[in-house]
Amino acid sequence: AAGVIQSPRHLIKEKRETATLKCYPIPRHDTVYWYQQGPGQDPQFLISFYEKMQSDKGSIPDRFSAQQFSDYHSELNMSSLELGDSALYFCASSNGQGLSNEQFFGPGTRLTVL
Amino acid sequence: GENVEQHPSTLSVQEGDSAVIKCTYSDSASNYFPWYKQELGKRPQLIIDIRSNVGEKKDQRIAVTLNKTAKHFSLHITETQPEDSAVYFCAATGAGSYQLTFGKGTKLSVIP
Repeated sequence: AAGVIQSPRHLIKEKRETATLKCYPIPRHDTVYWYQQGPGQDPQFLISFYEKMQSDKGSIPDRFSAQQFSDYHSELNMSSLELGDSALYFCASSNGQGLSNEQFFGPGTRLTVL
Repeated sequence: GENVEQHPSTLSVQEGDSAVIKCTYSDSASNYFPWYKQELGKRPQLIIDIRSNVGEKKDQRIAVTLNKTAKHFSLHITETQPEDSAVYFCAATGAGSYQLTFGKGTKLSVIP
């Protein structure tokens, strides 16, 4: 079965550079969630989209922005990168919003900021 | 917002023994409680979940119990195997919000 696709899988950037992470949800899934996981930490919710509209916002820095496109894929744009942004970034997708809708996680993008 | 506490942070058991991980949550409106298993560098994978209208759910060697009054839920793994070794996260979702709030995780080591 098709899973959530994230690209790139690994990304190395310098401080103050920008980065764009992409997420392709499972076909027919219309909801995307972004999570950030630092080393040895739990995943922290950043932002979510439902039917191309922002549905929820968590601890996402103002330097970051995201959107969901007409084909339901999503992009997380990160500017003025800082060393502390180094983390695993997971995208998850679900079919609609609701308690019966399991969030399926992608393989993650490992971002390293030097 | 929601706050999820998870204990213990590390747990070592002998192969074949049981493992229990406990979580508490703060938002009484939370109504969905999934458990994820994460191996090093890999994605979190859902292993079992429970909703607030159910007190217990079992799937082979894994079971979850929920006490809404105490705002407490637990993961039980029986007959542990070395491949159960991983970090386990509990999570909660509140009413009207579908973001997952995770506990800090439990590193489970199953000793052969």
